[in-house]
Amino acid sequence: GQQLNQSPQSMFIQEGEDVSMNCTSSSIFNTWLWYKQDPGEGPVLLIALYKAGELTSNGRLTAQFGITRKDSFLNISASIPSDVGIYFCAGRVTGNQFYFGTGTSLTVIP
Amino acid sequence: GAVVSQHPSWVICKSGTSVKIECRSLDFQATTMFWYRQFPKQSLMLMATSNEGSKATYEQGVEKDKFLINHASLTLSTLTVTSAHPEDSSFYICSARGPLQETQYFGPGTRLLVL
Repeated sequence: GQQLNQSPQSMFIQEGEDVSMNCTSSSIFNTWLWYKQDPGEGPVLLIALYKAGELTSNGRLTAQFGITRKDSFLNISASIPSDVGIYFCAGRVTGNQFYFGTGTSLTVIP
Repeated sequence: GAVVSQHPSWVICKSGTSVKIECRSLDFQATTMFWYRQFPKQSLMLMATSNEGSKATYEQGVEKDKFLINHASLTLSTLTVTSAHPEDSSFYICSARGPLQETQYFGPGTRLLVL
């Protein structure tokens, strides 16, 4: 199936720094989702976006649905050690088909 | 809300045996559930889409006779790995389409090791 391009593939940052990652596609999506996965666990939904241009926050996390509907961005402000994990984006056109990004591995150095 | 559970969380079995994994939506009804497989440091690979009361839709390359899926109720889908072999060892994750229909909520995953 189709996969979304997610970048960067990995990030190593100092605690307290801000983080930005993005997800791009050649197709238009109607829904964008962002998940965080801890080792050995299932992904946990962080933010869901349903409209082009939408900007939604969840605590220190902010995600945006790109105007072109072909991309989405996730920002984490003032990172803390528990932010460590793999972040996945997912896009949906219609129906049951969700496409997942390749993941961004985040390491926070105390 | 929107909690999905999976059982067991890990299982070790001998080659040739069958293993059943359960996926339950605990506080909502899920007409659609999904089964994924994930290899270390890789993204989620969709195996099949499970619809309540009907046959599952398998992704290309996934053997439907090997990975049996049953979605008998609005809160339960099962994946049975039949005649498991070491190459079937993996992390299997289910998800359920959420109450808003435009989201997916994942279970905690099941780690399968076939000896």
